[in-house]
Amino acid sequence: NAGVTQTPKFQVLKTGQSMTLQCAQDMNHEYMSWYRQDPGMGLRLIHYSVGAGITDQGEVPNGYNVSRSTTEDFPLRLLLAAPSQTSVYFCASSYRGNSPLHFGNGTRLTVT
Amino acid sequence: LAKTTQPISMDSYEGQEVNITCSHNNIATNDYITWYQQFPSQGPRFIIQGYKTKVTNEVASLFIPADRKSSTLSLPRVSLSDTAVYYCLVGVYYGDGNKLVFGAGTILRVKS
Repeated sequence: NAGVTQTPKFQVLKTGQSMTLQCAQDMNHEYMSWYRQDPGMGLRLIHYSVGAGITDQGEVPNGYNVSRSTTEDFPLRLLLAAPSQTSVYFCASSYRGNSPLHFGNGTRLTVT
Repeated sequence: LAKTTQPISMDSYEGQEVNITCSHNNIATNDYITWYQQFPSQGPRFIIQGYKTKVTNEVASLFIPADRKSSTLSLPRVSLSDTAVYYCLVGVYYGDGNKLVFGAGTILRVKS
């Protein structure tokens, strides 16, 4: 049981490039979410999903797209990377609404 | 959307009990209170969750007064390895306008 797996661990992009951050969980959790964490700040919610085929925006959705075609996977897409998107990105999942969140170990993204 | 307020930082010594209080004045009836611990370069990790009164597990206790407008995480006999950031999270689930939002967290430094 691997829990929540995020890939890659590190990534450097140039402004304007695109990429997809991968997130997979093997716990059959319905709820998944993406957070970003910037130095000295807490975690800010980007997008979330309450089940396959259902996604919605969080606090800071601009510049990011998500989709949820399967229960296991919840990729985060950056279409036109900007330096302001330099951050550490965490994916989380939970069994149901009031269940504790399980986090991956993050992807550290630098946009130059 | 329940907003939380925590102290920015706290210092303690090994072997002491540490209490971290979180204020959440506009907590909703269905909201649970969950605490997470985060070490550098790792995702947050679940510590404890409660709805009212007192909850205890093998690592911590959570005290919630009757009005539920605050909660206190109690760590008994801390060690150097408890140095981390602690987050209080109030909410129920994603969807229907609910969004789990983290506060800035409390940096706990344990000294020898």
